[in-house]
Amino acid sequence: GAVVSQHPSWVICKSGTSVKIECRSLDFQATTMFWYRQFPKQSLMLMATSNEGSKATYEQGVEKDKFLINHASLTLSTLTVTSAHPEDSSFYICSARQGASEDTQYFGPGTRLTVL
Amino acid sequence: QQQVKQSPQSLIVQKGGISIINCAYENTAFDYFPWYQQFPGKGPALLIAIRPDVSEKKEGRFTISFNKSAKQFSLHIMDSQPGDSATYFCAASKNTGRRALTFGSGTRLQVQP
Repeated sequence: GAVVSQHPSWVICKSGTSVKIECRSLDFQATTMFWYRQFPKQSLMLMATSNEGSKATYEQGVEKDKFLINHASLTLSTLTVTSAHPEDSSFYICSARQGASEDTQYFGPGTRLTVL
Repeated sequence: QQQVKQSPQSLIVQKGGISIINCAYENTAFDYFPWYQQFPGKGPALLIAIRPDVSEKKEGRFTISFNKSAKQFSLHIMDSQPGDSATYFCAASKNTGRRALTFGSGTRLQVQP
């Protein structure tokens, strides 16, 4: 149990285009989902916290208008990178938590974004 | 401000040996301390986690030792195997608010056959 999927697993796009990444909890309902970015050989950096039915909470320094997050249901959150640039190239990973009082986060397999 | 400091950055261990990774935290509000294993190109997978009311927790070959007064915790991998070669992250979260994880910088473990 506790499986989180991401789609796509990798994507290559041209500079200036937008890319949408999906994060799904497959066998549980996730009240909260988190989005992380990871550069090569570095740690995971939290970008934003996504709660079903409400606006996402962004970490300091993360542009809300560039990284659009939608948590439309208890099993799906999406991250849209708008007007992508080469510096946005990274490994994007989501995680999901089952309940508000739960600590355990289950991570997705990640999405490799390359912006040309 | 790095709230969770992890060491060493990299570690080489012989097969069958013990791998030890250490983490120290600053925020006394943290009350949940998980360890994650990550293989290249994959998402992190939860290995084991501990809370401050316990000084040690063991699951198979993996053991967490926790020292609340020193604000330190460590991961011990017994009988290390080449398949354990991966990057390991410690993390911590508070029991209030978003319960977001703060990650350590990671340790690249290489187990030599």
